[in-house]
Amino acid sequence: SQTIHQWPATLVQPVGSPLSLECTVEGTSNPNLYWYRQAAGRGLQLLFYSVGIGQISSEVPQNLSASRPQDRQFILSSKKLLLSDSGFYLCAWSRYGQGGQPQHFGDGTRLSIL
Amino acid sequence: SQQGEEDPQALSIQEGENATMNCSYKTSINNLQWYRQNSGRGLVHLILIRSNEREKHSGRLRVTLDTSKKSSSLLITASRAADTASYFCATGGTGGTSYGKLTFGQGTILTVHP
Repeated sequence: SQTIHQWPATLVQPVGSPLSLECTVEGTSNPNLYWYRQAAGRGLQLLFYSVGIGQISSEVPQNLSASRPQDRQFILSSKKLLLSDSGFYLCAWSRYGQGGQPQHFGDGTRLSIL
Repeated sequence: SQQGEEDPQALSIQEGENATMNCSYKTSINNLQWYRQNSGRGLVHLILIRSNEREKHSGRLRVTLDTSKKSSSLLITASRAADTASYFCATGGTGGTSYGKLTFGQGTILTVHP
């Protein structure tokens, strides 16, 4: 069966510090991968998606970047965090294809910027 | 931008009652999905309905889709306290570059009292 791991679960970082959040998927090959941010009490905002190694598409301009160094690894990064980067970050995967597939989510990372 | 708009924003019912949540969207879709999120956790896929389908069932869940009105509803029958969670609709677009991307609504917070 397929599983998705996301870590860390919580993170407290000072403004201006770097960030690296990691997500890995097991049990499937060539998945579509997604990074979302969720503000408190709100819906999900798609940040990045990837359909293959090294292929990253950004949905919104921001202080963050994403990379996919391996087929089932997706990393969210920042060189210098801003207060506005606080939030709940979720990684998800779906089967490769054009659409019509459910997405499967990790348990998220709660990021607080001080 | 958020495509799906859920209604109501919050719903409070007693165990055993039915819960109905509605979702409206603006543009043409390939599919519509419903997800559940327990507090502080990732989202869990509940059900997917394609644009050429009108109704779908899964256990105590019933989803309807009216593409002419650009709306969907999720019915949870005989609710239980364990159904307490936030529920989100998400739409998948048409077009060859959708890559499984979903646009999420703001969600409905469901509270089921024992």
